[in-house]
Amino acid sequence: EIVLTQSPATLSLSPGERATLSCRASQSVSSSLAWYQQAPGQPPRLLIYDASNGATGIPTRFSGSGSGTDFTLTISSLEPEDFAIYYCQQRSNWPLTFGGGTKVEIK
Amino acid sequence: QLQLQESGPGLVKPSETLSLTCTVSGGSISINNYYWGWIRQPPGKGLEWIGSINYVGTTFYNASLKSRLTISADTSKSQFSLKLNSVTATDTAVYYCARQDVKARADPFDFWGHGILVTVSS
Repeated sequence: EIVLTQSPATLSLSPGERATLSCRASQSVSSSLAWYQQAPGQPPRLLIYDASNGATGIPTRFSGSGSGTDFTLTISSLEPEDFAIYYCQQRSNWPLTFGGGTKVEIK
Repeated sequence: QLQLQESGPGLVKPSETLSLTCTVSGGSISINNYYWGWIRQPPGKGLEWIGSINYVGTTFYNASLKSRLTISADTSKSQFSLKLNSVTATDTAVYYCARQDVKARADPFDFWGHGILVTVSS
């Protein structure tokens, strides 16, 4: 099973600041990685698929990069609605796995 | 617009079977570019993939749940279902159904239901 480790666990930032979230895989997943945002009480929302492709309707301030074992989700300038929990997910191999999440909180 | 809706009991007794159904509207579940999956989230914790089913009924299960799990689909009703037997308190979670886009390398979940909280308790 491929383990995804997200860091940091919590990121404390102010609106307008840049957020950089990391996801590291225990073995290469090539570019088979997705990112999700989850607001309180809501289902996850797909942000990025295949490491760097924006999902439909996702603002351009969200971008993804990386390949192999190291991936980054960047939010260029935080909006109030961006304070949430973010998860990465891989399906290079079965079983599909999720990372443990990074909470982006207001500083 | 595609919509998914979970339904089923919100309370299940220990050792019994948890049964949930996901009804899909606004699209067909018989399309070969999509799988249909179940994901759960214990209160205050992260996401766990349970399993998925494709358009011909092939299933993919999380090995940790495989011995207790059955996922099936009824294309005539645009529904797919989850049965998890011999439940314990550790199966208490919000259960989500979602569409999985297998045209993409990551097979991401691009449409989700709102989720249903299932509590295992006597």
